[in-house]
Amino acid sequence: DAGVTQSPTHLIKTRGQQVTLRCSPKSGHDTVSWYQQALGQGPQFIFQYYEEEERQRGNFPDRFSGHQFPNYSSELNVNALLLGDSALYLCASSSGGYSNQPQHFGDGTRLSIL
Amino acid sequence: GNSVTQMEGPVTLSEEAFLTINCTYTATGYPSLFWYVQYPGEGLQLLLKATKADDKGSNKGFEATYRKETTSFHLEKGSVQVSDSAVYFCALRGTNAGGTSYGKLTFGQGTILTVHP
Repeated sequence: DAGVTQSPTHLIKTRGQQVTLRCSPKSGHDTVSWYQQALGQGPQFIFQYYEEEERQRGNFPDRFSGHQFPNYSSELNVNALLLGDSALYLCASSSGGYSNQPQHFGDGTRLSIL
Repeated sequence: GNSVTQMEGPVTLSEEAFLTINCTYTATGYPSLFWYVQYPGEGLQLLLKATKADDKGSNKGFEATYRKETTSFHLEKGSVQVSDSAVYFCALRGTNAGGTSYGKLTFGQGTILTVHP
């Protein structure tokens, strides 16, 4: 039973570029959440997707956008990259939309901005 | 808004010592509470959870009790091992009285635990 998988594992970009990160949820899960974890900090919620729609959003600028596909996989897009966007980006999946099921995390994508 | 405060670390213990990592929260409604663990280079793994007051979550020798009166969810383990060395995160997720989740997890800043042989 595959867990949450994220790609790529590492990525290096320069300021002003755009990046797309990908996530496949755990089998049976239909809800995907994205988090940003800066070095030495706890994860910060970016947004959550359910039924291909953004359901909830954290305090992140519009440069951060996402998408969910019919197979429940998801992408996180970040435009006009800033040095401060360097972080570990975590994807988490869960089931049941508004249910209280726990979220399962992938190993993340380490994004470095030069 | 919701918030989680964890005890400042890092915490360094000898093997077989008793562990407590304090966690307090601020939330409206009926939050669910979680402990996650992060090993170096990996994502977060759910360690245990509690969904209502006085619930005790437990897993792999770790325990935490949801204390609504003190808004706390302290993590404990009676005898730590070197393999428990990791970063531990306390988190909450808001829910309403009907159990509908508000989706996002709010995390504390994390506590680094190092266990020496």
